[in-house]
Amino acid sequence: AQKVTQAQTEISVVEKEDVTLDCVYETRDTTYYLFWYKQPPSGELVFLIRRNSFDEQNEISGRYSWNFQKSTSSFNFTITASQVVDSAVYFCALLRRMNYGGSQGNLIFGKGTKLSVKP
Amino acid sequence: DGGITQSPKYLFRKEGQNVTLSCEQNLNHDAMYWYRQDPGQGLRLIYYSQIVNDFQKGDIAEGYSVSREKKESFPLTVTSAQKNPTAFYLCASSLTTGTGADTQYFGPGTRLTVL
Repeated sequence: AQKVTQAQTEISVVEKEDVTLDCVYETRDTTYYLFWYKQPPSGELVFLIRRNSFDEQNEISGRYSWNFQKSTSSFNFTITASQVVDSAVYFCALLRRMNYGGSQGNLIFGKGTKLSVKP
Repeated sequence: DGGITQSPKYLFRKEGQNVTLSCEQNLNHDAMYWYRQDPGQGLRLIYYSQIVNDFQKGDIAEGYSVSREKKESFPLTVTSAQKNPTAFYLCASSLTTGTGADTQYFGPGTRLTVL
């Protein structure tokens, strides 16, 4: 079975604090892809990052960084020096190939972590 | 600007009525998807389509129907057979490079409420 677990339902921090959002996944595939999306109060999902299973390099983009560890099946997301605009629900997702043989995948989402950044 | 549009933003339905949610994209993507989001939950796949005139059921297709007559458009009909349709509906699209790993981009969503 393929599954994504985001154990933190809600996190509240004060502006400028660093915060890490946890994501643990389960899959039997040897090749897979992991994603993070941000959902601000407006509702639209905004793509943040995609990671291939064969590339374990950590990635940094501005204040955002991602730590991918296959040994622990985790793909954690850290925001450095958080800002009020970071307040949103963040989803981790695993790409699953469609059963009928198509080449496209279906995203398996975790339940999300609601981040509140207070001024 | 390229993107995905969904309409309406809010939709109210009486029990027993069918309603159709619109999804249009001008990203020239071949694949399109419909997801449902319930409060405090992640998204679940309803239907997807990889090419025009072809679509497949996702994990929760019962009570829903779709069509894909044009590459740009993938409307979703919520039928009266859907027992609990109140939810937030998100449409997505992606390229089809053959890798099975194409990033899905989402529209702004439609919030459906059954009265």
